[in-house]
Amino acid sequence: AQKVTQAQTEISVVEKEDVTLDCVYETRDTTYYLFWYKQPPSGELVFLIRRNSFDEQNEISGRYSWNFQKSTSSFNFTITASQVVDSAVYFCALSEISGGSYIPTFGRGTSLIVHP
Amino acid sequence: DGGITQSPKYLFRKEGQNVTLSCEQNLNHDAMYWYRQDPGQGLRLIYYSQIVNDFQKGDIAEGYSVSREKKESFPLTVTSAQKNPTAFYLCASSIVGARAIIYGYTFGSGTRLTVV
Repeated sequence: AQKVTQAQTEISVVEKEDVTLDCVYETRDTTYYLFWYKQPPSGELVFLIRRNSFDEQNEISGRYSWNFQKSTSSFNFTITASQVVDSAVYFCALSEISGGSYIPTFGRGTSLIVHP
Repeated sequence: DGGITQSPKYLFRKEGQNVTLSCEQNLNHDAMYWYRQDPGQGLRLIYYSQIVNDFQKGDIAEGYSVSREKKESFPLTVTSAQKNPTAFYLCASSIVGARAIIYGYTFGSGTRLTVV
């Protein structure tokens, strides 16, 4: 069984603040992939990042950074100097390699509201 | 431009009626998926198909039906047996198999179904 927990239902910040979105996962697989998606008000999911279970290097892309820690089964997402355009629902997802379907399981999402 | 088209964007249904949501893709993807999104519930998999004329139930298939007569089309019917159909429905597509994890999933912009 797999499970993704995003404990923060909603986060509200003021522009230029840094914000971290938490993601904790459960899996018995040794080979798996983790994802973050952004869902703006328009509705479609936009892919942000993919990380496999063997690569624990943190990644930075502009104002976005991700901290993957297998020891705590976490894959947290930080937005530095947040902007109003960052307002969206963010989903963490997990894909296991076993079983053959590879279909991601999503967390419940965190709604981020950035106020001007 | 390649992508996924979901129609209509908003749909209203009377209780007891069946309704069909359209999903069309021109990405030449073999696999297609339907997710349901409820506030605070994340995305839950309804049905998926990895090849024409074949499909599998996801986590919450009861009260839904699908067909896959063409590679580019994967319509979802919400039947009267679905007890609580009001939700946001997202369609996605990908190449089939583990490579989908690498090449990614493409999502449509969703259909919001309301039962009146």
